[in-house]
This record gives sequence, structure tokens and C-alpha cells, in this order.
Amino acid sequence: DAGITQSPRYKITETGRQVTLMCHQTWSHSYMFWYRQDLGHGLRLIYYSAAADITDKGEVPDGYVVSRSKTENFPLTLESATRSQTSVYFCASSERAGAYTGELFFGEGSRLTVL
Amino acid sequence: AQSVSQHNHHVILSEAASLELGCNYSYGGTVNLFWYVQYPGQHLQLLLKYFSGDPLVKGIKGFEAEFIKSKFSFNLRKPSVQWSDTAEYFCAVSSYGNNRLAFGKGNQVVVIP
Repeated sequence: DAGITQSPRYKITETGRQVTLMCHQTWSHSYMFWYRQDLGHGLRLIYYSAAADITDKGEVPDGYVVSRSKTENFPLTLESATRSQTSVYFCASSERAGAYTGELFFGEGSRLTVL
Repeated sequence: AQSVSQHNHHVILSEAASLELGCNYSYGGTVNLFWYVQYPGQHLQLLLKYFSGDPLVKGIKGFEAEFIKSKFSFNLRKPSVQWSDTAEYFCAVSSYGNNRLAFGKGNQVVVIP
């Protein structure tokens, strides 16, 4: 099916463990993004990517690592999970709209709990 | 850096009441503007967008928004809400040459039947 899919949808892990959240899109969009959503903070950008092998930090990148070896995949890794990283994580993709970021298409979200 | 402000984070209203959510942004140049909606337990979906042209934009489900450049605002409106409009609403702004959207903190709207 076309669209943007995230896995796993739900994950419980322990402090200090490595966790990878997967994101896959079938539209061949150039841009991909990872956001975290927390009460009182809304959506905060963690990392984004303009194309394969091009990534850049967002507002809250500390403790996260991303890669983009293929256009369609944009995994987010928590190298050593902390309780403060308990959140809902959304992946999104978009095409460019001229010199602007176009409409974002969001995945269903991955709810991560760090014990 | 651009910033987006949404006020009245929690709104409770009855069915058939009118809804208006404010959105103000800080960037002084040309912008693209968006409203997204997140229904309970779901992902964000685009409600409407403004790139250029008529500053009054109509979106899905009877929503509309008005871009007022002089006020740096893009307020969302719906004349008569339904219980199914219970959701969180996010305003977002894209500025020239920027590779990202800046989101506001959202408005949690609860419509009481």
C-alpha cells in the first residue's frame, strides 16, 4: 500500500537499551522528518533529511541518531534510551514546494515507553 | 528562527457553537501556512493550507482559515462544530528557503454533544 508506515507502533524498553524506530515511505518524497510529541510541547523536530545521505539536526537531536541510505527509509535510533525519551514519535515526508517545505504526510506514530 | 504561537490551548464548546483558533507567527518574509488536525489516537492530517492567492482558504470538513499578513496571523474557523471535531489542532509555518515546518504547540478542542 502506498503511504508512510512506522514500526513498531508500540515499544517498551529499559533505560540504556538501544532502540530503532523504522519509517518507510512509498511516494519517493525527497524530504523526511522525525518529530516527537509530548504534552505541553506539541511537536518538536528531532532530525530531518533532504535526500538520501543528507541529514540535519532539528530542535531536539541529542540522544538520537538517524541515517538515510535509501530515499524510502529513515530510521531513528536511540543509542541509549532514557526515560525522558518516552514519547510518541512521528515520521513524516514531503516534497518541495518551490523554495518552501510542502505539505507533510505523517505516519501513524510510534509510542515508546522507557522504563 | 521562526516561531508559531497558538493560544487557548484547551477549548471546550458545545455542538453547533462556532470555533476560532488563533495562530500567529514571527517570520517577517513570505510564508506558507498550514493547519493540521490530529483526532484522538491518530496521526496528523492536513486540514488546509495557504501558499498564495485568496487569503481566505477553505479546507476539509467545513473549516476555513484567513491569512492576515499585517497581523502575521492565520486563524482557523468553523461556524458550527460537531462532536467529531474533537481533536488537537496544530498551526504550522514554512518560510522561504527553509527545509522544515515550525509547529505551534496545538489547541486541544473538545466538543460536547
